[in-house]
Amino acid sequence: KAGVTQTPRYLIKTRGQQVTLSCSPISGHRSVSWYQQTPGQGLQFLFEYFSETQRNKGNFPGRFSGRQFSNSRSEMNVSTLELGDSALYLCASTSLPGTSGGAYTDTQYFGPGTRLTVL
Amino acid sequence: KQEVTQIPAALSVPEGENLVLNCSFTDSAIYNLQWFRQDPGKGLTSLLLIQSSQREQTSGRLNASLDKSSGRSTLYIAASQPGDSATYLCAVKLRDDKIIFGKGTRLHILP
Repeated sequence: KAGVTQTPRYLIKTRGQQVTLSCSPISGHRSVSWYQQTPGQGLQFLFEYFSETQRNKGNFPGRFSGRQFSNSRSEMNVSTLELGDSALYLCASTSLPGTSGGAYTDTQYFGPGTRLTVL
Repeated sequence: KQEVTQIPAALSVPEGENLVLNCSFTDSAIYNLQWFRQDPGKGLTSLLLIQSSQREQTSGRLNASLDKSSGRSTLYIAASQPGDSATYLCAVKLRDDKIIFGKGTRLHILP
């Protein structure tokens, strides 16, 4: 079974531009989460999509947005890029979202990430 | 507000030694806790996931424990090998399904 794929792997943009990153989850997985990883802040949760709906959102400005398609592939978009947006962007897929009190194991499977550099 | 702390930030041990990595969290109302490893410039690989009702999980040379009441988890690595060198992160999943990561422990196994 193929793993989580992310495209592109590397991206260089300039301030003020916008960028779109893509994530294809493991076949059969319907939940996709996005994270930003920087040396200073570590891994921070951006948002989670399940069945084309945003289920959860972290504390990021509205410049960060995402969507999920019917085939579970997800995209995230960052508009008006700032230098501080330079980071490794990771997506993760799970087969089912967590259910309080349920017995599901919702292990997250991560993609290799997209390294975004903003100049 | 849930905070996840991993101490130490970096650790070097000789090959063959057993070692323990620590993770602490401030709010015991978690759904599960997961340990990951991350190799430089790469994504994360899940190692072990412990549900809130469980006390420990084992996989090969790895054993993770969870003590919700004290807000602590440990990852025990037996007979360390150079290939174990990586950054190890713990993450707690909250009841609202948000996931909070620690900043990780950078582990270096000396040959």
